[in-house]
Amino acid sequence: GAGVSQTPSNKVTEKGKYVELRCDPISGHTALYWYRQSLGQGPEFLIYFQGTGAADDSGLPNDRFFAVRPEGSVSTLKIQRTERGDSAVYLCASSLLRTDTQYFGPGTRLTVL
Amino acid sequence: DQQVKQNSPSLSVQEGRISILNCDYTNSMFDYFLWYKKYPAEGPTFLISISSIKDKNEDGRFTVFLNKSAKHLSLHIVPSQPGDSAVYFCAAKKSSGDKLTFGTGTRLAVRP
Repeated sequence: GAGVSQTPSNKVTEKGKYVELRCDPISGHTALYWYRQSLGQGPEFLIYFQGTGAADDSGLPNDRFFAVRPEGSVSTLKIQRTERGDSAVYLCASSLLRTDTQYFGPGTRLTVL
Repeated sequence: DQQVKQNSPSLSVQEGRISILNCDYTNSMFDYFLWYKKYPAEGPTFLISISSIKDKNEDGRFTVFLNKSAKHLSLHIVPSQPGDSAVYFCAAKKSSGDKLTFGTGTRLAVRP
């Protein structure tokens, strides 16, 4: 079956621009997570959705980062006024229920010039 | 504060031999542990997990051992195959929680 998909696979933008990253979770999965992986590091938690609501956004680094999941399926991570330090691979994961195994998408590599 | 640590950034083993990847954690609230494997340009792929009520879980060539008193877990791969060459991440969570806390990864190279 189809796994988690993320678009675009690569995004290059200029400092100060706005970007949107999209995640399509596995069909039927109620929980959706965003992580960020910087070079040489493991993935770091950003935000978790249960259904349409953000149940835990404690990992968002600042108010330039925002995520939505309006219909409880697809999610969009939005980054305003991008900075060079935002360059990383942004990973999305989904699980059937909150406590189940998380399955990851291939990630979006964001480069801020 | 790195709550999950993988102190070996890389490991090289001969095909057919055992690979042992180690992971330490500091947060005693963690009670569920997972290993993920990651190939270049792909997302992490779930490999195996263990609950804190167990000290061993086995799935084919992969076995995870948990030593709660030492806050240490390890992944054993026997026998190692060239296709196992990847970056392995240890992750931990509270079973009642949601987010995973990852280590920095260990790059495994299996030599033919």
